[in-house]
Amino acid sequence: DIQLTQTPSTLSASVGDRVIITCRASQSISKWLAWYQQKPGKAPKLLVHKASSLESGVPFRFSGSGSGTEFTLTISDLQPDDFATYYCQQYVSYPYTFGQGTRTDIK
Amino acid sequence: QVQVEESGGGVVQPGGSLRLSCAASGFRIRHYGMHWVRQAPGKGLEWVAVISYDGSQKVYGDSVRGRFTISKDNSKNTVFLQMNNLAVEDTALYYCARDRSPDIIFLVWGRGTPVSVSS
Repeated sequence: DIQLTQTPSTLSASVGDRVIITCRASQSISKWLAWYQQKPGKAPKLLVHKASSLESGVPFRFSGSGSGTEFTLTISDLQPDDFATYYCQQYVSYPYTFGQGTRTDIK
Repeated sequence: QVQVEESGGGVVQPGGSLRLSCAASGFRIRHYGMHWVRQAPGKGLEWVAVISYDGSQKVYGDSVRGRFTISKDNSKNTVFLQMNNLAVEDTALYYCARDRSPDIIFLVWGRGTPVSVSS
C-alpha cells in the first residue's frame, strides 16, 4: 500500500499568512494526488486534483504543486474560513489512501 | 441536486452485523464508481470499499476485506455496505462518496452515518 505522510500535523497561523502543507508518498504517484478540506462535523470538500488542478469554485488563494513523491498545498492570504483540517489522497492505485491530516488553527 | 444520503448506522456488539445504505439523487449510480470512506472519532479518513459503475469490480481496504461486502441496486439508485463480524475498531462515521470517473477523487459526499461497536 502507498503511504502518505503529511507535515505538519498541526499548524498555527494568523489571518493573512501564507501556509504550506506537505504530503510525501512512499512511492511515486506521478500527479495522482488530491487535496480535501474538512471542517468539524462536515464531510470533506475536494479542493485540488491531479496535484495542481483547482476544483471549480475553490478560491484562487489555494494552490497545489508537486509530482512523484512530494506535493504541497499552499494557502496564500489565509482567511478565517480556511481554518480546517486538510487531507491529501492518492488515486494511482488501490487502496486509495489518505494522509493523516493537517489541522490548522488560529495562532 | 446531486447528493447522496447514508442510513443504517447504529450501535452493535462486537461480532454483530449492520447494513448501511446510500441513496443517490440527481445522478444515476450506474454511471459512477461509488465508495465508502470512514472516519473514526477524532481520526483521519480511511477508504473502505468501491463498487465500479457496472458492478463488475468490487475492491476493499485491507482492514475490512472478508468481512464487508459492497453492492448496489441500480433500480433503487442505492449502494449498500454489508458489515459482518464487526469489531470495536470499526467504530466510525461512514461516508458514501461518488467519484469522478475515471479519476478516483471524491466529489460528492453524504453527511455520513455513525456506527458504534461496543459491548
